[in-house]
Amino acid sequence: AQSVTQLDSQVPVFEEAPVELRCNYSSSVSVYLFWYVQYPNQGLQLLLKYLSGSTLVKGINGFEAEFNKSQTSFHLRKPSVHISDTAEYFCAVRGGADGLTFGKGTHLIIQP
Amino acid sequence: ETGVTQSPTHLIKTRGQQVTLRCSSQSGHNTVSWYQQALGQGPQFIFQYYREEENGRGNFPPRFSGLQFPNYSSELNVNALELDDSALYLCASSLDPSVIGTLHFGNGTRLTVT
Repeated sequence: AQSVTQLDSQVPVFEEAPVELRCNYSSSVSVYLFWYVQYPNQGLQLLLKYLSGSTLVKGINGFEAEFNKSQTSFHLRKPSVHISDTAEYFCAVRGGADGLTFGKGTHLIIQP
Repeated sequence: ETGVTQSPTHLIKTRGQQVTLRCSSQSGHNTVSWYQQALGQGPQFIFQYYREEENGRGNFPPRFSGLQFPNYSSELNVNALELDDSALYLCASSLDPSVIGTLHFGNGTRLTVT
């Protein structure tokens, strides 16, 4: 079984500042890790995914994430945020045929 | 290419009723999965269909059932609705059922049970 913990329910940050959204996972099998973004009244859009290989993964909209197996973490980062990045961000893990297991989400609030 | 579309966008039902939600897959995708997202929570996996057969299921009771049609569109049926079934229901399609496949989500159906 898999589980995902997103340590912050809400992260306020000033525009053009860097941001890190934290995600820890647990799994008894090999995992594949994902970050999705959800804008208001919309479905989820894939930002990036880690399947294997390089532990630093680059995604869309300037986001990147680093897989750390020893710390069972997959934190999402962006060096400079914009107002348009205001959204809910979900970390997810998949280890088998049981679909994605999502965290509870982190609401990123960009302050002007 | 056409993305994943879901209908209706909003729905209000009474406790005990039955509901059917519909999903059209993205062109070329043969796998559909459904998720329930309660307010303030992350989505929870309900089940997945591949070539008209259920091939994965989350921790949901049997009153949650589904269908996938030859054109890969899908339905989610919920019987004997309960107040806790109020949620956003998301459909996602993918090229295949592999664990590394990217899921493409629709905008969801907001179900309110009163």
